[in-house]
Amino acid sequence: NAGVTQTPKFQVLKTGQSMTLQCAQDMNHEYMSWYRQDPGMGLRLIHYSVGAGITDQGEVPNGYNVSRSTTEDFPLRLLSAAPSQTSVYFCASSYSSGNIQYFGAGTRLSVL
Amino acid sequence: AQSVTQPDIHITVSEGASLELRCNYSYGATPYLFWYVQSPGQGLQLLLKYFSGDTLVQGIKGFEAEFKRSQSSFNLRKPSVHWSDAAEYFCAVPSSGGSYIPTFGRGTSLIVHP
Repeated sequence: NAGVTQTPKFQVLKTGQSMTLQCAQDMNHEYMSWYRQDPGMGLRLIHYSVGAGITDQGEVPNGYNVSRSTTEDFPLRLLSAAPSQTSVYFCASSYSSGNIQYFGAGTRLSVL
Repeated sequence: AQSVTQPDIHITVSEGASLELRCNYSYGATPYLFWYVQSPGQGLQLLLKYFSGDTLVQGIKGFEAEFKRSQSSFNLRKPSVHWSDAAEYFCAVPSSGGSYIPTFGRGTSLIVHP
């Protein structure tokens, strides 16, 4: 099994550009999440989903959109990139609430 | 609100020495507790978890952790560190509000000297 797959691995954007970070899992997990990781800040939750068609905001949702049309996919959209969104982004999935999370390898994003 | 504190930003140990990484949590009930490890350039991988029962839990790579309710702690230990253990370690506890999506500590970076 591939587990959680994130694409792309690296991306450079200019301020104001938009893009979508892709996340797919093949474990039939209901729960999926997006985190950003910044030095000294740990992982902060951006958005999460508890099933297809259901999403909610996490700790740092501003500037990001998500949707969940299928169980497998949970894309993260940057509407108008800003330098403050330079970060490493991780997607994770879990079978149920409070359970073990499985992480993708991350997307390293730079916004110039 | 649920929270996790990892007091040590960096820990340096010599190869072969013992290790203890600290984790303190704030949680309204008996929590689920997790330790994850992140090797450089990689995603996070589960080391071990506590759900209930025996308060001393064993994980992968020779790690163990002990849940101490009276101290609100879940410290990670290893009796003899290997150079390959150099990584970032994160403690996590489910958040409140029904989703129970994990809240992570800020992480402890482990440096291993030969």
